[in-house]
Amino acid sequence: ILNVEQSPQSLHVQEGDSTNFTCSFPSSNFYALHWYRWETAKSPEALFVMTLNGDEKKKGRISATLNTKEGYSYLYIKGSQPEDSATYLCASNQAGTALIFGKGTTLSVSS
Amino acid sequence: NAGVTQTPKFQVLKTGQSMTLQCAQDMNHNSMYWYRQDPGMGLRLIYYSASEGTTDKGEVPNGYNVSRLNKREFSLRLESAAPSQTSVYFCASSVSRGRETQYFGPGTRLLVL
Repeated sequence: ILNVEQSPQSLHVQEGDSTNFTCSFPSSNFYALHWYRWETAKSPEALFVMTLNGDEKKKGRISATLNTKEGYSYLYIKGSQPEDSATYLCASNQAGTALIFGKGTTLSVSS
Repeated sequence: NAGVTQTPKFQVLKTGQSMTLQCAQDMNHNSMYWYRQDPGMGLRLIYYSASEGTTDKGEVPNGYNVSRLNKREFSLRLESAAPSQTSVYFCASSVSRGRETQYFGPGTRLLVL
């Protein structure tokens, strides 16, 4: 079973701070890397799907990068807002296999 | 479009009882998944169905069975519930396995006493 690691486990920042999280995954036979945002009492919602080394994706103040050769992805949030408080999940898979999720990074933003 | 729907939303079982969690999607997706979510564990894949007529084990399949009834529906059955199966269960679907976004249902909260 693929091992997907996320760090840090949790993070607390002040409103306006910029922050970033890391997702590590096996680089061999890499197929795709997904990022999801999961608010308390809701369902996970997709942020990005990345497949190519060097991919960069952006949605508003949130962006992500991908390095498939070394097996990591960064998620960046610029100017954090209280509504960004959530758990951020990454998931990866190899060709022909199902996605495996990391345990998530829980972000808390104080106003 | 309702997206992904799950029933029931909440269930309490006694140890040894059986039940089936239902999931349906109206997005014409080929692949469907069952996950469980436990504190500090993220989402763990129980079973998935890459396409109609196929099912495969995920990370934590023991104690569960699944049925891909048709393209829309994917059910998860607990034959003899155990307290260790107390969890929140999420169903998800995607166009196909791997590179497409997964869409999640609202979850079923299960308590086994």
